[in-house]
Amino acid sequence: RKEVEQDPGPFNVPEGATVAFNCTYSNSASQSFFWYRQDCRKEPKLLMSVYSSGNEDGRFTAQLNRASQYISLLIRDSKLSDSATYLCVVGILTGGGNKLTFGTGTQLKVEL
Amino acid sequence: DAGVIQSPRHEVTEMGQEVTLRCKPISGHDYLFWYRQTMMRGLELLIYFNNNVPIDDSGMPEDRFSAKMPNASFSTLKIQPSEPRDSAVYFCASSPRQGGGSTGEKLFFGSGTQLSVL
Repeated sequence: RKEVEQDPGPFNVPEGATVAFNCTYSNSASQSFFWYRQDCRKEPKLLMSVYSSGNEDGRFTAQLNRASQYISLLIRDSKLSDSATYLCVVGILTGGGNKLTFGTGTQLKVEL
Repeated sequence: DAGVIQSPRHEVTEMGQEVTLRCKPISGHDYLFWYRQTMMRGLELLIYFNNNVPIDDSGMPEDRFSAKMPNASFSTLKIQPSEPRDSAVYFCASSPRQGGGSTGEKLFFGSGTQLSVL
């Protein structure tokens, strides 16, 4: 089983739609969680951290369910510019620091 | 501010040749990471450094791969000899130290090196 699993998609949605991605992780000792965004042929960039209480940043809402070991990302009122690959990232604290493992990403295509 | 700088942007080489990828992290960042990205496997951590010291190299595929960080502003990833299956995008990332002794959780990635081994 992969450490971090995501549905690769693509998710094709019309502009203005609400779309949700889920991600599951296998290591119950995981302590930190993030969503990164990667545009085509570009480097990944941090979108938001994910906290147990859930957190919101504008149109984006992230939630963590530790019991079920999954993370979600909700995008409301999607824009064309939201089209990208969304990477779920899980961190485990080791002796050398916080080791981050990336999922393979979920591709989102927002269409007119 | 300059971000993480990688060179070259693209590298095309023949099987068996030595390849050296270079990275300059953001000044003041204590951690440096090398990742490899392929369609099949996504982003894989190869190795990371803390204050120029290699901490975890368990992701380095085999002895053909080596990484060094001679000082706080420079790191190299070397593949010798290269093979077609090494073709991928190689990203370097850095992160600042955070309170509590953990790594900075926000990674700043370079633009990557697209490597093609023929």
